[in-house]
Amino acid sequence: AQSVAQPEDQVNVAEGNPLTVKCTYSVSGNPYLFWYVQYPNRGLQFLLKYITGDNLVKGSYGFEAEFNKSQTSFHLKKPSALVSDSALYFCAVRGLTGANNLFFGTGTRLTVIP
Amino acid sequence: GAGVSQTPSNKVTEKGKYVELRCDPISGHTALYWYRQSLGQGPEFLIYFQGTGAADDSGLPNDRFFAVRPEGSVSTLKIQRTERGDSAVYLCASSSLVGAGANVLTFGAGSRLTVL
Repeated sequence: AQSVAQPEDQVNVAEGNPLTVKCTYSVSGNPYLFWYVQYPNRGLQFLLKYITGDNLVKGSYGFEAEFNKSQTSFHLKKPSALVSDSALYFCAVRGLTGANNLFFGTGTRLTVIP
Repeated sequence: GAGVSQTPSNKVTEKGKYVELRCDPISGHTALYWYRQSLGQGPEFLIYFQGTGAADDSGLPNDRFFAVRPEGSVSTLKIQRTERGDSAVYLCASSSLVGAGANVLTFGAGSRLTVL
């Protein structure tokens, strides 16, 4: 079965510092991987996806993620954190080949400290 | 519409009652998805439609849960004989199946269900 794991429930980072939110995956076949963000009282918003091609994927709000096949990881990164980046971040993987539904991790709460 | 619309935004009901939650997807999106999110958890997949048919309903927890999408647009999630454990935020999402938007789910704000 397809699944993702987010090993950290909480990540704290100082404003202006680089941030990393970790995600590892377990899939049969080629992975389709995604990051979504959830701000308080708002719906989930798409950040970026990896389907194929360049291992470094760039997305919304200056975020990027690096696909690493040997480590089965897809960590989310940003060179310089903003206080407004504080939110709940979810990694997701597409279901089996031919399906379009996503399976989400448990989420990581990012807090950027001014 | 411009986004995915879900109604009601909040629903409080008593144990044993029947509940319907409605989702109006983005116009033209062929695929529609229902998820459930409990406090402190990630979204849990329930069911996924391609057009009018359920392509995958393996996430429905039991036969009290049912969803329909009769005309390939609006969908209704139906919960019979509600239990306290059904309390959660029910999320709907839609996506196209082709082009750059394929596999990118757009979510609604959710319907918060509280079963007393």
